[in-house]
Amino acid sequence: TQLLEQSPQFLSIQEGENLTVYCNSSSVFSSLQWYRQEPGEGPVLLVTVVTGGEVKKLKRLTFQFGDARKDSSLHITAAQPGDTGLYLCAAESGTYKYIFGTGTRLKVLA
Amino acid sequence: DTGVSQDPRHKITKRGQNVTFRCDPISEHNRLYWYRQTLGQGPEFLTYFQNEAQLEKSRLLSDRFSAERPKGSFSTLEIQRTEQGDSAMYLCASTQGIGLNTEAFFGQGTRLTVV
Repeated sequence: TQLLEQSPQFLSIQEGENLTVYCNSSSVFSSLQWYRQEPGEGPVLLVTVVTGGEVKKLKRLTFQFGDARKDSSLHITAAQPGDTGLYLCAAESGTYKYIFGTGTRLKVLA
Repeated sequence: DTGVSQDPRHKITKRGQNVTFRCDPISEHNRLYWYRQTLGQGPEFLTYFQNEAQLEKSRLLSDRFSAERPKGSFSTLEIQRTEQGDSAMYLCASTQGIGLNTEAFFGQGTRLTVV
């Protein structure tokens, strides 16, 4: 059973639009990570957030960790076709045991 | 060493056959993970090793599944008496170190199709 629920499950948008992806849990985590996975590849780490309320920016991507460290969001500004992929949040559940969220599949149309 | 490598990339097998997958982690990484992923879903944790010790197994890992990491380097994942429900992508990842910013490096996965 996944402890990290992501929404939406699927998102198809036009190039240039903004979007937000959410990762929610009933558990508190010491840190949370976001990965992106492209077809035929393994996930690749985008960012780690560690402090409640923390905001990190990576070019057009903005990541926020909830104040209570139970949830996180990923906001993409002016999406591009190259942003297409499966976005995954991940957290440590137990000592060194990393679990992943249910995933958000994003498709950005040119 | 350029990253985590998995072999084979694709495997098609008949129901009831045994299959074995191999993962070679990044050489200095002491922790190795196996995940299973179905299309469009997030990876599901199966098991992980610290060096050669298998520290945790998911209840998803039935007695038909076994994983080893005999010398603390490469790992194998064996599935006995495969079933159609075993069809999935099997991902391996490795990490090292401690702390909140540990990054997991993934291989490209082995896609298993049971027919």
